Amino acid sequence: DTAVSQTPKYLVTQMGNDKSIKCEQNLGHDTMYWYKQDSKKFLKIMFSYNNKELIINETVPNRFSPKSPDKAHLNLHINSLELGDSAVYFCASSQGREGARPNEQFFGPGTRLTVL
Amino acid sequence: GIQVEQSPPDLILQEGANSTLRCNFSDSVNNLQWFHQNPWGQLINLFYIPSGTKQNGRLSATTVATERYSLLYISSSQTTDSGVYFCAVEGYSSASKIIFGSGTRLSIRP
Repeated sequence: DTAVSQTPKYLVTQMGNDKSIKCEQNLGHDTMYWYKQDSKKFLKIMFSYNNKELIINETVPNRFSPKSPDKAHLNLHINSLELGDSAVYFCASSQGREGARPNEQFFGPGTRLTVL
Repeated sequence: GIQVEQSPPDLILQEGANSTLRCNFSDSVNNLQWFHQNPWGQLINLFYIPSGTKQNGRLSATTVATERYSLLYISSSQTTDSGVYFCAVEGYSSASKIIFGSGTRLSIRP
């Protein structure tokens, strides 16, 4: 199946721990994103990568570090987890601004992170 | 940056009813999408519609770019239509990013 996939689907951890969320897309897209959805369902972009290069960084704390080993993967590493990091994190991909449908977003299933 | 407002915030309807969801945006857009977030949390693409009208089964959407709004129509609602509907837009500037509205929570009662 062509899709955006994320692992894990659920992540429960203690404050202060370090964790990673992985994302992969097999749509052949050049651009990948991380979004955060809070408890009130607000969706906000965190990062965007185009061909492994960071193009958007939305004033996210330094504890969040995206890593793109190739254009099909964009992982999110979070250091020193805090209670306020609890949220659903979505990965997405698009063809980029030059595609026939500029930046049409395709989302992964989300990772629900709970920090205790 | 672009402001996006969706209305109404909540909508409760009986099965079989029709509904119209609205998305207003504050500047010209290069990209406008409608999504349905189902009760399991999945974000499902409904329409890519920066301008014009599209239809897909019981759903249709219209974007009037010159007046900076988009409408999503759901006809003959079914309980599976329940969830949150989001509008997301992106401006023309190379520095623009995707901005989501706060969503319309739709509940369809059997």
